[in-house]
Amino acid sequence: DTGVSQDPRHKITKRGQNVTFRCDPISEHNRLYWYRQTLGQGPEFLTYFQNEAQLEKSRLLSDRFSAERPKGSFSTLEIQRTEQGDSAMYLCASMASIHQETQYFGPGTRLLVL
Amino acid sequence: DAKTTQPPSMDCAEGRAANLPCNHSTISGNEYVYWYRQIHSQGPQYIIHGLKNNETNEMASLIITEDRKSSTLILPHATLRDTAVYYCIVRAVNNAGNMLTFGGGTRLMVKP
Repeated sequence: DTGVSQDPRHKITKRGQNVTFRCDPISEHNRLYWYRQTLGQGPEFLTYFQNEAQLEKSRLLSDRFSAERPKGSFSTLEIQRTEQGDSAMYLCASMASIHQETQYFGPGTRLLVL
Repeated sequence: DAKTTQPPSMDCAEGRAANLPCNHSTISGNEYVYWYRQIHSQGPQYIIHGLKNNETNEMASLIITEDRKSSTLILPHATLRDTAVYYCIVRAVNNAGNMLTFGGGTRLMVKP
């Protein structure tokens, strides 16, 4: 257990529905990252926050995706109008500061869109 | 960040050393070599990282060649619980975002 928690661990939804995932980072870690991992592939970067500011978004993050970290602690990732191609593992990671070099990952949320 | 090349899979006998190679021939002087592993259905787990010198911690040793174009992760006494996908990642020191770029990794199977 790295101390990063994610909820839910599994989510099954129908195409077109909205889903929201939550990530609770290690306490006082000011960097928070979201990655997506499809079957058989390595994780791919989606976006990251420095405190409450979202500093970078990957081109993988379409307009249907939105991430927030309102108080610089937990973060949410919402997918609107889900598509079957959104089926993946969504991973969250946190890091202490820009001078800390290690990202600690949560267990992930596995999404299946039917 | 430089690209890495790893064998897709390897086997290792339980109790023996597992040596996982990684090629990063285009690495530049300001890029770290990181190793993470991912056990089935879990998030990636940090193992070790280095810049130029060899590194050792409680989990593994990292051997980086003198020209830095390749490295080897060594698990000295592999156990069944070390069965996982191992990712070698190169990340620039001045990568302000610190985001990690994962490749396909090496699937290590530790056999009894």
